[in-house]
Amino acid sequence: NAGVTQTPKFRVLKTGQSMTLLCAQDMNHEYMYWYRQDPGMGLRLIHYSVGEGTTAKGEVPDGYNVSRLKKQNFLLGLESAAPSQTSVYFCASRNRGEETQYFGPGTRLLVL
Amino acid sequence: LAKTTQPISMDSYEGQEVNITCSHNNIATNDYITWYQQFPSQGPRFIIQGYKTKVTNEVASLFIPADRKSSTLSLPRVSLSDTAVYYCLVGDFSGGYQKVTFGTGTKLQVIP
Repeated sequence: NAGVTQTPKFRVLKTGQSMTLLCAQDMNHEYMYWYRQDPGMGLRLIHYSVGEGTTAKGEVPDGYNVSRLKKQNFLLGLESAAPSQTSVYFCASRNRGEETQYFGPGTRLLVL
Repeated sequence: LAKTTQPISMDSYEGQEVNITCSHNNIATNDYITWYQQFPSQGPRFIIQGYKTKVTNEVASLFIPADRKSSTLSLPRVSLSDTAVYYCLVGDFSGGYQKVTFGTGTKLQVIP
């Protein structure tokens, strides 16, 4: 039982490049979330999903897209990376009816 | 969603009990209080959750007064490994949409 895993762990992009961050969970959780964390700040919700095939916007969705084609995976896409998207990205999942979120180890993204 | 207020930072010596208080004046009837711990370069980890009075587990205790407008996370006999950021969250997470505001948390530094 690996819990929540994230791929890649670290990535450097040039402005304008695109990439996809992968989040996978093996706990059969219904809900999945993508957050970003900037230095000295708390986590801010980017997008979330309440089930396979459904996604919705969080606090800071601009510049990101997501997809949840399979229940266990939640993908975060950057179509045209900007330096302002340099951050640490965390994925989390939660079971329906439970309060606890389980977080992945994070992906560090640097956009030059 | 109830707004929370926590001290930005705290220092404590090893072996002491640490109490971190969180204010949440506009907590709603269905809201729970949840605390997370985040070590550097890791995702947040659930510590404890409560609704009222006192909750204790193997890691911490959570004290909630009758009016529920505040809560106190108590860490007994802290060690250096307890150095982390602690987040207080308040909300009704029973539904799918979890517009969670982590805030900046309380940075606890344990001193030898």
